[in-house]
Amino acid sequence: AQSVTQLGSHVSVSEGALVLLRCNYSSSVPPYLFWYVQYPNQGLQLLLKYTTGATLVKGINGFEAEFKKSETSFHLTKPSAHMSDAAEYFCAVSDRGGNKLTFGGGTRVLVKP
Amino acid sequence: GAGVSQSPSNKVTEKGKDVELRCDPISGHTALYWYRQSLGQGLEFLIYFQGNSAPDKSGLPSDRFSAERTGGSVSTLTIQRTQQEDSAVYLCASSFARGRSDTQYFGPGTRLTVL
Repeated sequence: AQSVTQLGSHVSVSEGALVLLRCNYSSSVPPYLFWYVQYPNQGLQLLLKYTTGATLVKGINGFEAEFKKSETSFHLTKPSAHMSDAAEYFCAVSDRGGNKLTFGGGTRVLVKP
Repeated sequence: GAGVSQSPSNKVTEKGKDVELRCDPISGHTALYWYRQSLGQGLEFLIYFQGNSAPDKSGLPSDRFSAERTGGSVSTLTIQRTQQEDSAVYLCASSFARGRSDTQYFGPGTRLTVL
């Protein structure tokens, strides 16, 4: 069985500051991990994903995430927040058969000018 | 190219009525997924279709929920005898179904409100 925990349902950052969103997972198989972003009244858009290979994954819009097996974590970062980063972010893990994603509870990011 | 489309974008219904939600996946995608997003439960998997295989219905919350996929393309999610707890955003996604690393592409969702 898989589960995902996102620490912090809301995060507030200043424009230009570091964005750090935390994700911890539990998986009975080697995890395939995803970060999605959801803007208001829109569907989810993939930011990045980890499958195998390099543990530091770069995604769109300047985001990156590092897979740490020993910590069962896949935290998302962006060095410098932009106002357009205000959205809700979801971490997810793929199940064994690839039939579905299990999502964390989401983290809503507010960017202050 | 066109993304995943869903209709209607908003649906308001009265308790006890039946509703149908439609999803048009990306052309060429053989896998189709339905998820539900609600305040209390977050994002939950409902059902998965892959080609001609039997669908994975393991996430459907009750027998009032059903879904079909015609011709390997368009899918309809039907909720019978709607209840207020069915109020949520219903998201559809599609992918090429190449395995666990697949990217699922999501539609904008249908916001269902049951009065």
